[in-house]
Amino acid sequence: AQRVTQPEKLLSVFKGAPVELKCNYSYSGSPELFWYVQYSRQRLQLLLRHISRESIKGFTADLNKGETSFHLKKPFAQEEDSAMYYCALKGQGGKLIFGQGTELSVKP
Amino acid sequence: DSGVTQTPKHLITATGQRVTLRCSPRSGDLSVYWYQQSLDQGLQFLIQYYNGEERAKGNILERFSAQQFPDLHSELNLSSLELGDSALYFCASSVVGGRALSTDTQYFGPGTRLTVL
Repeated sequence: AQRVTQPEKLLSVFKGAPVELKCNYSYSGSPELFWYVQYSRQRLQLLLRHISRESIKGFTADLNKGETSFHLKKPFAQEEDSAMYYCALKGQGGKLIFGQGTELSVKP
Repeated sequence: DSGVTQTPKHLITATGQRVTLRCSPRSGDLSVYWYQQSLDQGLQFLIQYYNGEERAKGNILERFSAQQFPDLHSELNLSSLELGDSALYFCASSVVGGRALSTDTQYFGPGTRLTVL
């Protein structure tokens, strides 16, 4: 089965604290994984693709095939990071399979 | 701005009605995807078109249909609307689609917020 699990509905941290948003996937084969961010239920913006190993807005994510995880991390959270974060797996035919999302709230 | 446009931004209609949502992909993208975002179901893939042809179907109801035109814009038609169809409908586009090209990434439009009363 192709599935993405984001176990936390809400993650609340203080400004300057480290952040880790968890994502686990189920996929037979070589996965392609993404993180999208959504501010105030507006458009989904691409944050990261695992194949490019880039760092956007200070966020990084490493694919761990052994643990089937693709957790999103940032060493020092900022208030403007508050948003919904979705982990997505590229499934059969190229469609994206999304997790349920994690709402990140960064308090001052 | 991702370059994907969707109209209208908001749509309020009554049960039993029919609506059409429109999407224009990024310049050069051949593949269009439709997704539904609702509070109870989350983000669900509906359907994909590639260069005018239907390529993949997801959890799309029979009351819903879509098409992609020669200029590559796409329309999602929702008919016999029910209260439960109220949701955000997103369109995304990518260059190719499928898994053939690992760098193929989907970029999303701003969505159409549908409210069925």
